[in-house]
Amino acid sequence: DTGVSQDPRHKITKRGQNVTFRCDPISEHNRLYWYRQTLGQGPEFLTYFQNEAQLEKSRLLSDRFSAERPKGSFSTLEIQRTEQGDSAMYLCASSARADIEAFFGQGTRLTVV
Amino acid sequence: GQQVMQIPQYQHVQEGEDFTTYCNSSTTLSNIQWYKQRPGGHPVFLIQLVKSGEVKKQKRLTFQFGEAKKNSSLHITATQTTDVGTYFCAGPRFGGGSNYKLTFGKGTLLTVNP
Repeated sequence: DTGVSQDPRHKITKRGQNVTFRCDPISEHNRLYWYRQTLGQGPEFLTYFQNEAQLEKSRLLSDRFSAERPKGSFSTLEIQRTEQGDSAMYLCASSARADIEAFFGQGTRLTVV
Repeated sequence: GQQVMQIPQYQHVQEGEDFTTYCNSSTTLSNIQWYKQRPGGHPVFLIQLVKSGEVKKQKRLTFQFGEAKKNSSLHITATQTTDVGTYFCAGPRFGGGSNYKLTFGKGTLLTVNP
């Protein structure tokens, strides 16, 4: 499978714990995006990488959230001190160029209890 | 901030009926994209429209981009059960770098009764 891969697919955590998600984009895609989707809503943009550089962060990305893409390949999204409001599907997408469609991964569903 | 609105929120049709969903942006868009998300799935890119007044067809699906580049529609002719899912429109956020930093609408959930 050469699509966007996300791990884990599901994560249940207790409030206050830290969680980290991984995204492996399509090989050679230099643009990588993180989105968050809650039930009944469209995906909301969180952040964007071009190669290893994080070029934009949404206001949704509070200080408890950090994303990295250290070698310009895979990316991680960490949430510290999780809150119940963080429960959502976290989607990763990648694209080869700015004007070429982005492909979404299957997402990581986070449940904070 | 930029807002993208879609109506209706839900649409239930009998198989064979037509379906249309409408998308309106609070700002002029450089392009608009449409995605389909099956229940339990992830968004899948359908199409991108760029030109004012553009119309594109994919089999039974017809996409339109308004003359003012602030609204768009998706029309499905003779729906099938495989059309079930949520249809999202999305427009690029302000700022350069990528067309795929997107603001999504809330989507229209289509259900089809066989």
